[in-house]
Amino acid sequence: QVHLVQSGAAVKKPGASVKVSCKASGYTFSTYAINWVRRAPGQGLEWMGWMSTYNGNTKFAQKFQGRVSMTADTSTSTAYLELKSLRSDDTAIYYCARDVNYDYWGQGTLVTVSS
Amino acid sequence: QAVVTQEPSLTVSPGGTVTLTCASSTGTVTSSHYTFWFQQKPGQAPKTLIYDTTNKHSWTPARFSASLFGGKPALTLSGAQPEDEADYYCLLSFDNNWVFGGGTRLTVL
Repeated sequence: QVHLVQSGAAVKKPGASVKVSCKASGYTFSTYAINWVRRAPGQGLEWMGWMSTYNGNTKFAQKFQGRVSMTADTSTSTAYLELKSLRSDDTAIYYCARDVNYDYWGQGTLVTVSS
Repeated sequence: QAVVTQEPSLTVSPGGTVTLTCASSTGTVTSSHYTFWFQQKPGQAPKTLIYDTTNKHSWTPARFSASLFGGKPALTLSGAQPEDEADYYCLLSFDNNWVFGGGTRLTVL
């Protein structure tokens, strides 16, 4: 069956970068896009962006332009989200979700930004 | 950027019916916004209930249905169960820029 398994929790200092991984199994990785969504404590869900695992095309939410990158390694069926210049309000659970239909989700990765 | 507004909280009795809505600051929502509805329970990843306005996944309980009503996406729960208590989010596309609603906390009581 389809699984998306994300990397473990991370603690970062303000100004640092974080890279979250999302390893896919149970399907052909390059045939489905990956979306990234986050939820900050006490807040709602926030769409961060989307990437094609087929050709690497990306679309980011305007809020994250210049600070985010999304990549994929098809040899390991793993998608990556990197967020730079971290601030305290980037503290959140980060989720990957498969395909334009968001049919399968990773378990989430807690990123804590604290000095 | 568009702002998407949902009812902050709603309460439904067990077995009752409730409708959650999703309003866009840009005006009428159509099928071109490809509305999604998600359910999220504490400590869990979101679960997708509805995609592309009205389509259900295989795991979506039959008691959930979605539509466009009065220019707004609507998610109707008919015959609420205790396990339906959760946060519900809509997600709309604005020319491939996606925006979540603020979420509705649904209480079954």
